[in-house]
Amino acid sequence: DSGVTQTPKHLITATGQRVTLRCSPRSGDLSVYWYQQSLDQGLQFLIQYYNGEERAKGNILERFSAQQFPDLHSELNLSSLELGDSALYFCASSVQGHEQYFGPGTRLTVT
Amino acid sequence: GEDVEQSLFLSVREGDSSVINCTYTDSSSTYLYWYKQEPGAGLQLLTYIFSNMDMKQDQRLTVLLNKKDKHLSLRIADTQTGDSAIYFCAESPRGDDKIIFGKGTRLHILP
Repeated sequence: DSGVTQTPKHLITATGQRVTLRCSPRSGDLSVYWYQQSLDQGLQFLIQYYNGEERAKGNILERFSAQQFPDLHSELNLSSLELGDSALYFCASSVQGHEQYFGPGTRLTVT
Repeated sequence: GEDVEQSLFLSVREGDSSVINCTYTDSSSTYLYWYKQEPGAGLQLLTYIFSNMDMKQDQRLTVLLNKKDKHLSLRIADTQTGDSAIYFCAESPRGDDKIIFGKGTRLHILP
């Protein structure tokens, strides 16, 4: 158990809908990262927040957004969902940056 | 550019050593990682090596880094059935933000 929690574990929704994925980092970790894992693209970095501020951005679509709250939990919002957004979404957290600890993931299925 | 390459499959007999190889392109990478993903689970940080090191040993795991050839390897001694998983090689160009992952090597243990 890495200490990073993610909810929900599974999510099934229809195209065009909007969903919110939630992540609670390890106690004391200020950085939160979001990654997408799909069969064709592999593991892709989406975005990083540090203590409430956006720190780095990767291959995140404009339909996706994230935020980190004062209690350091983070949410990833996915809107206008398409079939191709079906994937595993991982959250990771770190205190020192180079050691990222991953949550169990949220499996999103868009039908 | 940033790219990490690794072979997709490796089969090893139980009790033998497994060697998983990886090449990366970003010569400025400060940290290089090995993550393990078991079926239906998140990513577990196995070990990492700082770019000014050549080797790191941690129990049954040995990481070798050839910075000149941008080649990283993970050796698992005395491979057990519990080592069956997908192993991801990854690099972090700056060490404090995104991690770039390879596609993963699926390690299969033969009885």
